[in-house]
Amino acid sequence: GENVEQHPSTLSVQEGDSAVIKCTYSDSASNYFPWYKQELGKRPQLIIDIRSNVGEKKDQRIAVTLNKTAKHFSLHITETQPEDSAVYFCAAIKAAGNKLTFGGGTRVLVKP
Amino acid sequence: KAGVTQTPRYLIKTRGQQVTLSCSPISGHRSVSWYQQTPGQGLQFLFEYFSETQRNKGNFPGRFSGRQFSNSRSEMNVSTLELGDSALYLCASSSTGPGPQNTIYFGEGSWLTVV
Repeated sequence: GENVEQHPSTLSVQEGDSAVIKCTYSDSASNYFPWYKQELGKRPQLIIDIRSNVGEKKDQRIAVTLNKTAKHFSLHITETQPEDSAVYFCAAIKAAGNKLTFGGGTRVLVKP
Repeated sequence: KAGVTQTPRYLIKTRGQQVTLSCSPISGHRSVSWYQQTPGQGLQFLFEYFSETQRNKGNFPGRFSGRQFSNSRSEMNVSTLELGDSALYLCASSSTGPGPQNTIYFGEGSWLTVV
């Protein structure tokens, strides 16, 4: 089955700096890659996603890149703010179903 | 549009008991999936239902079961509870059918503590 590895597990950045989280997946049939942000005690919330026919997608301070050949995708957060502090999860999914395989999560701390 | 609604939000059960959790998906969504979240194992897929049929299943023992009703509402049941079943159980819904994925939205979850 699919396996998703996520690095780093923790990330501490200074406010205003950039944060980068990297994920690799094992199943070349995966074609949809969402990123979720989960604040303490709350639900995972989708922040951005990318499909396999796209190499990069950007939404304000957040961007995601996908390298299908290398089977890895990354989340980039620019100009980080304290409210970006949370746990971020990458995930991968194949067609015909909604079985999300999650990475282990990255705890991001933005220091003021 | 109301989001994914899960009940109950918090519950405490004793080992050996069974529990039923409920999920109402976003109106119009026909796919409902369930995940278990624990500090040690992260987010793990339990199963997915689409149009009342189980479409995908994760690697959990048979004590974990689910079903979906004609109105797309779903329930999951855990029988013979063990201490290790203590977790946040998340329900997610999507409007997708066969073909390209649509966005998957999560509910707030049901916090289960087994004592």
